Amino acid sequence: EVQLVESGGGLVQPGGSLRLSCAASGFAFSSFAMGWVRQAPGKGLEWVSTISVTGGTTYYADSVKGRLTISRDNSEDTLYLRMSGLRVDDTAIYYCAKVGVSYEAFDAWGQGTMVAVSS
Amino acid sequence: SYELTQPPSLSVSPGQTANITCSGHKLGDKYACWYQQKPGQSPVLVIYQDTKRPSGIPERFSGSNSGNTATLTISGTQAMDEADYYCQAWGNSLNWVFGGGTKLTVL
Repeated sequence: EVQLVESGGGLVQPGGSLRLSCAASGFAFSSFAMGWVRQAPGKGLEWVSTISVTGGTTYYADSVKGRLTISRDNSEDTLYLRMSGLRVDDTAIYYCAKVGVSYEAFDAWGQGTMVAVSS
Repeated sequence: SYELTQPPSLSVSPGQTANITCSGHKLGDKYACWYQQKPGQSPVLVIYQDTKRPSGIPERFSGSNSGNTATLTISGTQAMDEADYYCQAWGNSLNWVFGGGTKLTVL
């Protein structure tokens, strides 16, 4: 059974930093691209970032480019999202998601971790 | 930037067919997929590559994608299908984009 467990969320002041982690199990982590999707309170889903199987290629939404950095450690089956220069509108639940073999869909999701940016 | 447009809400009676649409420029040239999200839960993929169902998704869920519109069809809608549904597109130089979501009410 695929399991994705996020951690690292919390309350941070505007301009601050956080690092989210996602521990993966139940599948060959190093064989699949991975991504982050967020959901602001009461709002819809927003794609944030995706990373290739080796970590050599990364993709970002324009809204986070230059502030958020995705990375992975295939030896530890862990996905990361380094967040800096956080803004109030970054407040959201951040979901870790596994990219399917067809690359276009996220076929497994974690339970999410809440990031709140407020002074 | 690329936009996907969904109706904010849709109501159907139990046993009826629900058609949830997702519109975007030349969407039929890209892959479309659909997610179901119930309150307090993480999204679940219900359709990928326009028409395919992941293992464990009931047969009453189906999808299509042509022209500028992708459609999620739920045949014989059940009370348990009440949820938010999101379309998402990818491909043809487009990164992952989500629609705004449709709240499906079964009453």
